[in-house]
Amino acid sequence: QSALTQPASVSGSPGQSITISCTGTSGDIGIYNYVSWYQQHPGKVPKLIIYEVTNRPSGISNRFSGSKSGNTASLTISGLQAEDEADYYCTSFTTITTWVFGGGTRLTVL
Amino acid sequence: EVQVVESGGGLVPPGGSLRLSCAGSGFIFSRYWMHWVRQAPGKGLVWVSRVSPDGSTTSYADSVKGRLTISRDNAKNTLDLQMNSLRADDTAVYYCTRHGDGDYFEFWGQGMLVTVSS
Repeated sequence: QSALTQPASVSGSPGQSITISCTGTSGDIGIYNYVSWYQQHPGKVPKLIIYEVTNRPSGISNRFSGSKSGNTASLTISGLQAEDEADYYCTSFTTITTWVFGGGTRLTVL
Repeated sequence: EVQVVESGGGLVPPGGSLRLSCAGSGFIFSRYWMHWVRQAPGKGLVWVSRVSPDGSTTSYADSVKGRLTISRDNAKNTLDLQMNSLRADDTAVYYCTRHGDGDYFEFWGQGMLVTVSS
């Protein structure tokens, strides 16, 4: 059950777009469309922002979008805002009926 | 309003036991998969365990298999995590989470800190 691979950090200026990658294997991301993304501000509870690869829950800005190609999922945030500065985690269901998270990516808005 | 509220955390010595509970409200508890996810201090999220709506099916991360046991009581709308043979690396905030209508963690509790230390 190795963790999904995410970059440790990304950064961008307000108004720019950034993309966070999440790489798994043919036993998780590659076979299932059960990839979701979570935003966590320091000291706060994780919040669902993308589910089933591309879907946004009600109330989540359309500046957040998700995609997948092969074993890699991606989260794109467009029109960066200061409040987007947070940790972001991907997760996927796996063929051994468990869930695996990525190591997390710290987004810094410059 | 959907709510999941954890209780039962605290300080426990290595090798000891602790039981976490989670109370669900604002939804039909018996219809949803429930999970535990943990986060060690300054570290990332790690999935721990899940239980099916009727309690008959469970899954565990390798790191906790044989030591932690998930269960639920649908009559009381509660989810439990019995933690035995605790180790220092079990120290974390434990989150109770409710599955969504699809496959994702839709609602999270506030988390409960478990510290394993002598």
